[in-house]
Amino acid sequence: GAGVSQSPRYKVAKRGQDVALRCDPISGHVSLFWYQQALGQGPEFLTYFQNEAQLDKSGLPSDRFFAERPEGSVSTLKIQRTQQEDSAVYLCASSLNRGSSPLHFGNGTRLTVT
Amino acid sequence: DAKTTQPTSMDCAEGRAANLPCNHSTISGNEYVYWYRQIHSQGPQYIIHGLKNNETNEMASLIITEDRKSSTLILPHATLRDTAVYYCIVRDTGTASKLTFGTGTRLQVTL
Repeated sequence: GAGVSQSPRYKVAKRGQDVALRCDPISGHVSLFWYQQALGQGPEFLTYFQNEAQLDKSGLPSDRFFAERPEGSVSTLKIQRTQQEDSAVYLCASSLNRGSSPLHFGNGTRLTVT
Repeated sequence: DAKTTQPTSMDCAEGRAANLPCNHSTISGNEYVYWYRQIHSQGPQYIIHGLKNNETNEMASLIITEDRKSSTLILPHATLRDTAVYYCIVRDTGTASKLTFGTGTRLQVTL
């Protein structure tokens, strides 16, 4: 596809359930980023991959959040034992790993925890 | 990353140029200025970026002051579809680093 694809577009989970959010980056993009966006706020960085290596996970809010990119392409963000404060839009972005190449974002997954 | 300061909101009449300012007084020599916008229910959309020279593409122009402490994004002929939150971000690209978003400027284009 031409852009970053995220699925599902919407996810409703009961508190305590585990969820998995998928990101398909632009083909050939080495770098992949996950962001969390609460209502009315700007996106907040969660974690960064270069190929399959997770180089920065400083933004993950707790050990309930886990991300992987095992083959250096598709990535999954997993949230265990979801809580209401996890309700947000989760955005994925990818970029070429050179110079000032910009990040290109998907349209996100809106997670609602009830 | 250096911080940026943007007005909270701006209005612009359709067909007129929208000039969105951004202050980044602590920017360092290897940091680029990026502009993104976010329309409701969509992910941030890349608009343009620059280091020190003015830049223009099919979407917008970016004017960076000589001292690099501020910049202006110009949408030459705003349309209703340009209504969005516009984010100005400075980024050190030495290690393909992340973008750090602020609160942005909410641009409302009106008839």
